[in-house]
Amino acid sequence: DVKVTQSSRYLVKRTGEKVFLECVQDMDHENMFWYRQDPGLGLRLIYFSYDVKMKEKGDIPEGYSVSREKKERFSLILESASTNQTSMYLCASQTSGHEAFFGQGTRLTVV
Amino acid sequence: QKEVEQNSGPLSVPEGAIASLNCTYSDRGSQSFFWYRQYSGKSPELIMSIYSNGDKEDGRFTAQLNKASQYVSLLIRDSQPSDSATYLCAVSLPGGYNKLIFGAGTRLAVHP
Repeated sequence: DVKVTQSSRYLVKRTGEKVFLECVQDMDHENMFWYRQDPGLGLRLIYFSYDVKMKEKGDIPEGYSVSREKKERFSLILESASTNQTSMYLCASQTSGHEAFFGQGTRLTVV
Repeated sequence: QKEVEQNSGPLSVPEGAIASLNCTYSDRGSQSFFWYRQYSGKSPELIMSIYSNGDKEDGRFTAQLNKASQYVSLLIRDSQPSDSATYLCAVSLPGGYNKLIFGAGTRLAVHP
């Protein structure tokens, strides 16, 4: 079974803080994704990575950056957290058949 | 135009009935299609993948794909209260990176 693990289930941060969300997968997948999910808006793609140190912007990259130094780990960085970044963040890892498997999600609250 | 569209629902069906969930997509070159189930407060869980026109059955679930009409559907037979969840349609976009785009989801409520 594919296992995707996100570092935190719940997180509370202050406005202006730099926030790191970590994601690790154990299946040697090349593609990994970061989405955010908000009520009524569905899953929106923030960034994705198709190989180590390779990344592409998704639909809503503003205010975020990513890092992929090792194949199994994909990190999402909020450079300066703002209240409008309060959301559920979901990491996914993708098979060669394009199926994506998700971590448990991180519910981030920025106060 | 949204790339993947679903009716937000809620779709309410009685226990034992067939639930029919629909999804349309805009990119005619898309080749891979998925249905995910998401319980409240949980992350999405893959339940069906379909790549070719026609039907694909797995237990009580049947996925249907019509590429000419750019339409994907999910049928749930003998619906159970435990099927109550939000169902997300996802499409892998053509191109080099297999970017996966989701619809906003349809909320299904199965009542006893």
